[in-house]
Amino acid sequence: EAGVTQFPSHSVIEKGQTVTLRCDPISGHDNLYWYRRVMGKEIKFLLHFVKESKQDESGMPNNRFLAERTGGTYSTLKVQPAELEDSGVYFCASSQAMAGNTEAFFGQGTRLTVV
Amino acid sequence: GQQVMQIPQYQHVQEGEDFTTYCNSSTTLSNIQWYKQRPGGHPVFLIQLVKSGEVKKQKRLTFQFGEAKKNSSLHITATQTTDVGTYFCAGRASGTYKYIFGTGTRLKVLA
Repeated sequence: EAGVTQFPSHSVIEKGQTVTLRCDPISGHDNLYWYRRVMGKEIKFLLHFVKESKQDESGMPNNRFLAERTGGTYSTLKVQPAELEDSGVYFCASSQAMAGNTEAFFGQGTRLTVV
Repeated sequence: GQQVMQIPQYQHVQEGEDFTTYCNSSTTLSNIQWYKQRPGGHPVFLIQLVKSGEVKKQKRLTFQFGEAKKNSSLHITATQTTDVGTYFCAGRASGTYKYIFGTGTRLKVLA
């Protein structure tokens, strides 16, 4: 069974440009999470989808970040326009149905560098 | 908002020595999970604790959940070089489905 896959693995963009990150969760997983790790610091929660609905987006830093999960399958996270402080590793994770006590499976992450 | 702190931030040990990382939440948790991230890798699930005072073991790893469900610890007995990486706890507060990650403890094992 395929794990959580993220694309691209690395992205280098200039300040002001737009980048879209993609996450394909494990098939059948209703829960999809986006996290970000900046400069080796803690892994910060960004948002949580249940199927196609945003359950919790309290961690989204500002309106330059837009996450979607059309059809409840894969998700995209768009940063527009990108700023230097957006650099970091963006992780996506998925877990099974609406039960909090299930493990999350993480993707390999997308390393975003804004120059 | 909910915060989860871990100590120490870094730990260097000689191979064969023991290692412990501690996780403290500002709020009572419904459950807590532990993850390990190897350098350049992604977080990999290790274990989940749910009950107050719960203790679980995985070979050389011992995980504890505090009685008040606000703290947890991970203890590694006789570390090996394969134990290197960053260990994160992730706590979930009641009524939410999101996990707040701790600040992580980076472990280096010297051969």
